[in-house]
Amino acid sequence: DQQVKQNSPSLSVQEGRISILNCDYTNSMFDYFLWYKKYPAEGPTFLISISSIKDKNEDGRFTVFLNKSAKHLSLHIVPSQPGDSAVYFCAATQGSGGSNYKLTFGKGTLLTVNP
Amino acid sequence: GAVVSQHPSRVICKSGTSVKIECRSLDFQATTMFWYRQFPKKSLMLMATSNEGSKATYEQGVEKDKFLINHASLTLSTLTVTSAHPEDSSFYICSATGTLNSPLHFGNGTRLTVT
Repeated sequence: DQQVKQNSPSLSVQEGRISILNCDYTNSMFDYFLWYKKYPAEGPTFLISISSIKDKNEDGRFTVFLNKSAKHLSLHIVPSQPGDSAVYFCAATQGSGGSNYKLTFGKGTLLTVNP
Repeated sequence: GAVVSQHPSRVICKSGTSVKIECRSLDFQATTMFWYRQFPKKSLMLMATSNEGSKATYEQGVEKDKFLINHASLTLSTLTVTSAHPEDSSFYICSATGTLNSPLHFGNGTRLTVT
């Protein structure tokens, strides 16, 4: 039973346009969500996170939106750049204070930004 | 920034042998380290959590006698795959954090192939 789902294995966008990566979860106990970015042959790197007490968190070109009632979150990248091409993992955890303990990951979405 | 070094990046071994994978935090003290496993087209799955100086906590379904984890210091954790079999072939990745409210830092992973 996959508790964190990224239903799109890949996404292709043009440079300068918006990239929207989606993630759904089933466990209502999750209260902290993270996005990681992974280049080939490297480990995932933390990108942005959001607590369940918020519905939006923004950091530069990256914005994460959380819809708790729909158990859905999305990562928006605008404007998209070729260097953003990577696999993006959605992850979730439960525990107060934004603990990163015991992350549950989605399968990832490969984003390709075309020049 | 914080760096986690994982070694080796690739290893090929014969069935029945044991393989040790090292995970080091290079510029911070990792009180907690996590070991994940990823099969092709699947999510990163948490195998176990290790805290320095104590026994690792294994996730359900992970054989602790097969996947030996040692976290003897604040900068080093090792995963030993004992009596490896072809079905153990996978991508293993570690992550570390100094505090549970800090972003996880991942190693680059180890591709294990058991022939």
